[in-house]
Order: sequence, then C-alpha cells, then structure tokens
Amino acid sequence: QLQLQESGPGLVKPSETLSLTCTVSGDSIRRDSYCWGWIRQPPGKGLEWIGSSYYSGSTYYNPSLKSRATISVDTSKNQFSLKLRSVTATDTALYYCARRTDYSSGWYVDNWGQGTLVTVSS
Amino acid sequence: QSALAQPASVSGSPGQSITISCSATSGDVGSFNLVSWYQQHPGKAPKVIIYEVSKRPSGVSNRFSGSKSGNTASLTISGLQAEDEADYHCCSYAGSSASGVFGGGTKLTVL
Repeated sequence: QLQLQESGPGLVKPSETLSLTCTVSGDSIRRDSYCWGWIRQPPGKGLEWIGSSYYSGSTYYNPSLKSRATISVDTSKNQFSLKLRSVTATDTALYYCARRTDYSSGWYVDNWGQGTLVTVSS
Repeated sequence: QSALAQPASVSGSPGQSITISCSATSGDVGSFNLVSWYQQHPGKAPKVIIYEVSKRPSGVSNRFSGSKSGNTASLTISGLQAEDEADYHCCSYAGSSASGVFGGGTKLTVL
C-alpha cells in the first residue's frame, strides 16, 4: 500500500527558505502515469496547489507561487521535495505531499501524506 | 488562475440530499471534464470521492454523485448520514501549463 510521509522543519523564519521532503513507500516513484506534488492548507482555510513534478523532471507550478517554489524528485531515494523561498507569515500552513494521476487517468489526487504544519515566525 | 467558488457552508438533516456547487468565472471547470471532489474530516487528509466530474473511486459510497453544467460542477450527497459531516473541496485541471485549482471548500453540517 502506497504511503507518503512529509518531513522538515516546523518553524521557518520570515525571508528564509521552507524545505520539505516527502518519502514514498510501497511503490516506486518512477511511474510514468503519476505526478508527485505539494498542496497546502492555511489554518481554517481551503486547499491550494503549490505544484507537481513527474520523476522525469517535468514540473507544473501554481502561477502565484512559481517564482518562489521548486519541486524536485530524487529517484534514488524514492523521495521528492519542495523548496519555497522568501517565506512570509502568509505561507504558514499545513503542507501535504500527494500523488496525482496524469491527464489520461483522470487528473486527481489519489494519495495524500498526513500533512506537516509549517509556521513562519521569527 | 482563478480559484473556484464554493458556498462556505451547507446543511441538511439525516436522510436528505444536499448539493454543493463549484463555479468558475472562466476556463477551468468549463473547459475540461477533469473535476474532482475531496472529503476532509477534521484533522485528516482529504480523500477523493469523485473524479472526472462523475466517476467514483472503488470503495466510495454511491450516495455521492457528481455532475457538471457549463462552468459549474456539482456534488450531490443523497441519504445524508452523520458521518458525511466534513469539509468538501472541488478541484479542476487548469491547462497543461498549470498545476490545478481548488475551490475554497464547503463545510457540510448534518443537523
């Protein structure tokens, strides 16, 4: 059974870089029909796509975050990661890593991590 | 890319049916049949209940159904049960260069 687990600091200072890693277990990250992504949810608010990446390196970002976000995949470790630069308090959120099916398979998130809370504060 | 508009809250009594709408002002929902719906209980990760507008993943109750008309997608829950009380989020594919867009979420209260 596929499992996704986020890891990374729970507290980041303003203007610094938020870095999270998602470890995938139960399946290979080298699957052509799946894309690996990050979704966040500010406290008490709705979900927001940050972006996603195929293991081959093709990436897709939310235009509002594209200038600050980088998603990369490490096939040797079966992990993918998120870096979000120049964070502010508005980046405080529960961050989920997720697996999304591709366009031909319905384009939806079929697996989620449990989420990790990241607070931006000095 | 614009967010999708959902009502902040809906409510219904056990046994009743409710419908949650998900509207886009342009593109997004209207252009593609790639709308999905997620159920999220407090403190839990979301779970897909509808994809490709109206398809149900294996294991999801047939009390959940989806549809789309023009730029508005809808989720209907029939025979409401207490366990259906949760937040519901719609999501749409937003074009090959974009990552997708979510609605603001709807809190369902079962009275």
